Amino acid sequence: EIVLTQSPGTLSMSPGERATLSCRASQIFSSTYLVWYQQKPGQAPRLLIYDASSRAAGTPDRFSGSGSGTDFTLTISRLEPEDFAVYYCQQYGTLPRTFGQGTKVEIK
Amino acid sequence: EVQLVESGGGLVQPGGSLRLSCAASGFTFNIYSMSWVRQAPGKGLEWVSYISGSSGTKYYADSVKGRFTISRDNAKNSLYLQMNSLRDEDTAVYYCARDGRGSYRDWFDPWGQGTLVTVSS
Repeated sequence: EIVLTQSPGTLSMSPGERATLSCRASQIFSSTYLVWYQQKPGQAPRLLIYDASSRAAGTPDRFSGSGSGTDFTLTISRLEPEDFAVYYCQQYGTLPRTFGQGTKVEIK
Repeated sequence: EVQLVESGGGLVQPGGSLRLSCAASGFTFNIYSMSWVRQAPGKGLEWVSYISGSSGTKYYADSVKGRFTISRDNAKNSLYLQMNSLRDEDTAVYYCARDGRGSYRDWFDPWGQGTLVTVSS
């Protein structure tokens, strides 16, 4: 099973700042089969980024994904008030599909 | 608009059974694989089970293998999860999610709003 480790666990930021979230895999998996989801309290996760770097429909361009192999990054260029949430990475290269434990982006 | 609506959650005693349903609309249901993903209270996400569009391929997480059964009825645009021998650690919000049109190598989009399953005596 591929273990995804996200860091940091919590990111305390101010609106307008740049946020960088990391997702590291315990082993290399096929291609760039990694996605990022955003989850707000009481809501289901929402797809933000697929194939490591492609924005899903409706994802603002301040969100960008990068990486390959075992190291992946989600960058939010300028935090908006609606961006404060929990972010999960997930790999779909091998079974079982696994998620990181999440990074909470909170208002400083 | 693509919509997924789960139902069937509730309180059940350890060792009991529950059947979850997911009603799909707004897309051609039978060409998409579907999955169940769960989230324990205050915890992260865990993929539970996958079923292909034709029901010919099914996968399960080790934590539920032999206890849970995924199925679908394409005529009714519905997905199901039969959960038997429930344990305390199965307590979670269960989400129905649309998968891809091919193998399991795809992402979940969109997700339903979830249904809460509580296993407790």
